[in-house]
Amino acid sequence: DTAVSQTPKYLVTQMGNDKSIKCEQNLGHDTMYWYKQDSKKFLKIMFSYNNKELIINETVPNRFSPKSPDKAHLNLHINSLELGDSAVYFCASSQVTSRPGELFFGEGSRLTVL
Amino acid sequence: QKEVEQDPGPLSVPEGAIVSLNCTYSNSAFQYFMWYRQYSRKGPELLMYTYSSGNKEDGRFTAQVDKSSKYISLFIRDSQPSDSATYLCAMSYSGAGSYQLTFGKGTKLSVIP
Repeated sequence: DTAVSQTPKYLVTQMGNDKSIKCEQNLGHDTMYWYKQDSKKFLKIMFSYNNKELIINETVPNRFSPKSPDKAHLNLHINSLELGDSAVYFCASSQVTSRPGELFFGEGSRLTVL
Repeated sequence: QKEVEQDPGPLSVPEGAIVSLNCTYSNSAFQYFMWYRQYSRKGPELLMYTYSSGNKEDGRFTAQVDKSSKYISLFIRDSQPSDSATYLCAMSYSGAGSYQLTFGKGTKLSVIP
């Protein structure tokens, strides 16, 4: 029973298209995140939601729009995809009141823009 | 200067060796220090968690934090091929900062049988 699950795992698409990645966690956590990992493995936060409220919104193009319909779900929609958007996108969750910084990651969604 | 510096390697060691992985940081507000392990094509998973300065041991793994030097280390004793992965250091601080985890770039480790 996967704790943090993301779909799809692999996504290959053309420049200019719009795509979405979905994430669900069954850990009962109150905070969810989107991270981007580039080709050099650097993991950088994009967004964070706590109890459906956006609390971190890093310098990310506004083509990226997160949406949290409830505490257990956080989706990422990307408009007008560009070559530079190719990366692995990780969803994560945490219970901030327990151990700060302890995140549970999904397996990642590997996006390739052609 | 980046907030967290980590030598990306790659690091290749023979099975049974002692491995030392390190990170330095510049933000003295960091209080929580972590090591995440990431296998190929998988998400990072928490390996070690330390609050403030000191050592923590868990089996073959030891995490050290020296806040005065702004330096953290992960030691792996009797390294195994199954330890082959990318190791990412990560840091956080309390309050609003607890939502903001800062990662190092990761060190790729290969343990050769």
